[in-house]
Amino acid sequence: ILNVEQSPQSLHVQEGDSTNFTCSFPSSNFYALHWYRWETAKSPEALFVMTLNGDEKKKGRISATLNTKEGYSYLYIKGSQPEDSATYLCAFYNFNKFYFGSGTKLNVKP
Amino acid sequence: EAQVTQNPRYLITVTGKKLTVTCSQNMNHEYMSWYRQDPGLGLRQIYYSMNVEVTDKGDVPEGYKVSRKEKRNFPLILESPSPNQTSLYFCASSLGGPFYNEQFFGPGTRLTVL
Repeated sequence: ILNVEQSPQSLHVQEGDSTNFTCSFPSSNFYALHWYRWETAKSPEALFVMTLNGDEKKKGRISATLNTKEGYSYLYIKGSQPEDSATYLCAFYNFNKFYFGSGTKLNVKP
Repeated sequence: EAQVTQNPRYLITVTGKKLTVTCSQNMNHEYMSWYRQDPGLGLRQIYYSMNVEVTDKGDVPEGYKVSRKEKRNFPLILESPSPNQTSLYFCASSLGGPFYNEQFFGPGTRLTVL
């Protein structure tokens, strides 16, 4: 079983704050790293699929970076809004299987 | 509308009574997968399918079966459910392999086994 770790487990920020979280994964046999956003009572929705070392992806105020050599990815949210409140999941894809971290739960206070 | 559907959405059953949770996608996706979500744990993959008639075990396949006879459908079968299979289940699909392609998740099925 591969170990994918996310930190912190939870985060409380004020509206307008910028924040970031970490996903750590095995640095060997890397295929892809996915980020998902999961709102309460809904299904996970894809944010990014990252495949190359040094990848940087951006969607609006959310961006992500990837370092496959050291086995980590960062997710950044600039100017957090209450609607950003959700659990953010990363998933390591390796030999056709997915290994998810347990998520970072973000709460943005107005 | 492009989507992944699951049925039922909620199910309460008793130990040992066989059940099937259906999953269907209308996006012509090749890769399909089942996950379970338990408190404090990340999503754990149960089974996946790269294409029709091609299925393989994920991390936690014990107690589950799947089949992929058609591209659009990927049912999850619990032959003899037990209380430790009480969980929230998600089906997901992606176009081609998830190497480049995002997964689309169904709405989830909350299963309680008494």
